[in-house]
Amino acid sequence: NAGVTQTPKFQVLKTGQSMTLQCAQDMNHEYMSWYRQDPGMGLRLIHYSVGAGITDQGEVPNGYNVSRSTTEDFPLRLLSAAPSQTSVYFCASSQAGLAGADTQYFGPGTRLTVL
Amino acid sequence: ILNVEQSPQSLHVQEGDSTNFTCSFPSSNFYALHWYRWETAKSPEALFVMTLNGDEKKKGRISATLNTKEGYSYLYIKGSQPEDSATYLCAFIGIRGFQKLVFGTGTRLLVSP
Repeated sequence: NAGVTQTPKFQVLKTGQSMTLQCAQDMNHEYMSWYRQDPGMGLRLIHYSVGAGITDQGEVPNGYNVSRSTTEDFPLRLLSAAPSQTSVYFCASSQAGLAGADTQYFGPGTRLTVL
Repeated sequence: ILNVEQSPQSLHVQEGDSTNFTCSFPSSNFYALHWYRWETAKSPEALFVMTLNGDEKKKGRISATLNTKEGYSYLYIKGSQPEDSATYLCAFIGIRGFQKLVFGTGTRLLVSP
């Protein structure tokens, strides 16, 4: 099992550009989520999904879109990149559709810089 | 917005010392508490998921306790080793937001040989 994979590992964008961060898991997990990590702050939830076709907003969803067409993939789209979106992005998954009592498995992260 | 606080922010101990950190969370609306270990340049890795008041979990030299009535959890490391150096994160889930983990900012532990 590869676990949770994320691509790219690093990305530099110019303000206004759009891009998609990829996340995939091969553990047949129902729950997937995206977090961002900023200095001095905890991991903050951007969007999450409890299964294919179902997504919902987390704490900081503005400027990001997600979709979940398959169980395996949960891409995060930046619509028009802004410097405030410079961050490290982590994707995570857990087995059941209920995140609460389930261990989260994290991907290796994507470091994004927006100039 | 829920507040999950961890203390201390950072800690520097000598090899062999035992240490503990605190995670404070809202005492009402509790569903579960997670602990994660996060080494530099790696991804967070799960240590424990705790759901019941009075829960105690143990993994090797690391253990955790949970008090949901007063809203805190302790993480203990017995006989710290340099390889324990990492940031330790806790994450709270409430009943009303049971799909959303709210993370603390972490305790950064450095263990010197």
